[in-house]
Amino acid sequence: DTGVSQDPRHKITKRGQNVTFRCDPISEHNRLYWYRQTLGQGPEFLTYFQNEAQLEKSRLLSDRFSAERPKGSFSTLEIQRTEQGDSAMYLCASSYGEDGGYTFGSGTRLTVV
Amino acid sequence: GDSVTQMEGPVTLSEEAFLTINCTYTATGYPSLFWYVQYPGEGLQLLLKATKADDKGSNKGFEATYRKETTSFHLEKGSVQVSDSAVYFCALSDRTGANSKLTFGKGITLSVRP
Repeated sequence: DTGVSQDPRHKITKRGQNVTFRCDPISEHNRLYWYRQTLGQGPEFLTYFQNEAQLEKSRLLSDRFSAERPKGSFSTLEIQRTEQGDSAMYLCASSYGEDGGYTFGSGTRLTVV
Repeated sequence: GDSVTQMEGPVTLSEEAFLTINCTYTATGYPSLFWYVQYPGEGLQLLLKATKADDKGSNKGFEATYRKETTSFHLEKGSVQVSDSAVYFCALSDRTGANSKLTFGKGITLSVRP
């Protein structure tokens, strides 16, 4: 068990470009979550998958954001036409069951310049 | 909607001092409560949790008791160490929903001086 892996660790992109992040959850975990964390704030929920099904999306997830989890394994989060306000740490977490005791990845820090 | 309020920080303590970090919550259902910790350069780690009223979660010398009557989940440690320096987040999970998403407080930075 190598924990939850996120790639890349850091991403700097120009405004208007598209970016894609990857998350590899713990293999036996059926639930996968994406959160966004800005400086001085706690993580905010973005979206949730149970196996391959995306079951909930936050209002924070504008139409420029899309997430997938093909085959219920790894997940990708894509941001199209990035804006400076998208600069944040994007966190992935996985769990098995409903007790909320997730395992978080180290995150991908996005900087939009 | 659900929310978590943490005391303002940062907090700076000397080694072996007593620590209390306040956390209160608002929830429509009957949530589970958590403390997560983020050490410098690392991801969020679950520190402790409690799932029902009067439960006490504990780990690494830290404790927190689920107080339904005061809607609180304050974190305490009797004697802090330099290695406890980190950001601490209080969070809740509303179990009435299907997805167990977490609602976090803003976090508080703890610095412990030798």
